[in-house]
Amino acid sequence: GDSVTQMEGPVTLSEEAFLTINCTYTATGYPSLFWYVQYPGEGLQLLLKATKADDKGSNKGFEATYRKETTSFHLEKGSVQVSDSAVYFCALSPFEGGGNKLTFGTGTQLKVEL
Amino acid sequence: NAGVTQTPKFQVLKTGQSMTLQCAQDMNHNSMYWYRQDPGMGLRLIYYSASEGTTDKGEVPNGYNVSRLNKREFSLRLESAAPSQTSVYFCASSTYNEQFFGPGTRLTVL
Repeated sequence: GDSVTQMEGPVTLSEEAFLTINCTYTATGYPSLFWYVQYPGEGLQLLLKATKADDKGSNKGFEATYRKETTSFHLEKGSVQVSDSAVYFCALSPFEGGGNKLTFGTGTQLKVEL
Repeated sequence: NAGVTQTPKFQVLKTGQSMTLQCAQDMNHNSMYWYRQDPGMGLRLIYYSASEGTTDKGEVPNGYNVSRLNKREFSLRLESAAPSQTSVYFCASSTYNEQFFGPGTRLTVL
């Protein structure tokens, strides 16, 4: 079946540092890929998405590129802020739209310190 | 526009007790979902409803039942709670492109 593997956390960075959170997936066909973010005490929010190979999703300074050859969708940000502290989930959908059953990774907690 | 709302926010049960978690959305979405979130395991789908009047099992349905009362509401029932059901429960609804999550219910079963 489909699966998503994320790097373990927590990841602790200083403000303005470069962020990479690794995500790889296993799926048949051509899934769509997503990053969701969960701030403390809240539900998940869609951060960005990519629906086909080589697409780049971006939002709020975060980026991720859909790499079919390496089955990866790594999340990056050039300069993190304290307000980026949250748990980040990589997810996939077997269909183009994300409004279907999603398979989530285990989540990566990010802590950004001054 | 409240989005997805869940009640209660917190609940403590004793083993064997029953309860219903309520979820409602005001975005006129057809599809709704129930997930549980456990440390180190991410979110796992319990049940989903593709449209009013239909429900289907997800990855971890044992010990749960659901009711899609109408287009707005999708409830999750624990008939006889067990400590293994201690978790944070999230409800979601979706358009074609995106799922929208509620704030969650933190449930502890003693």
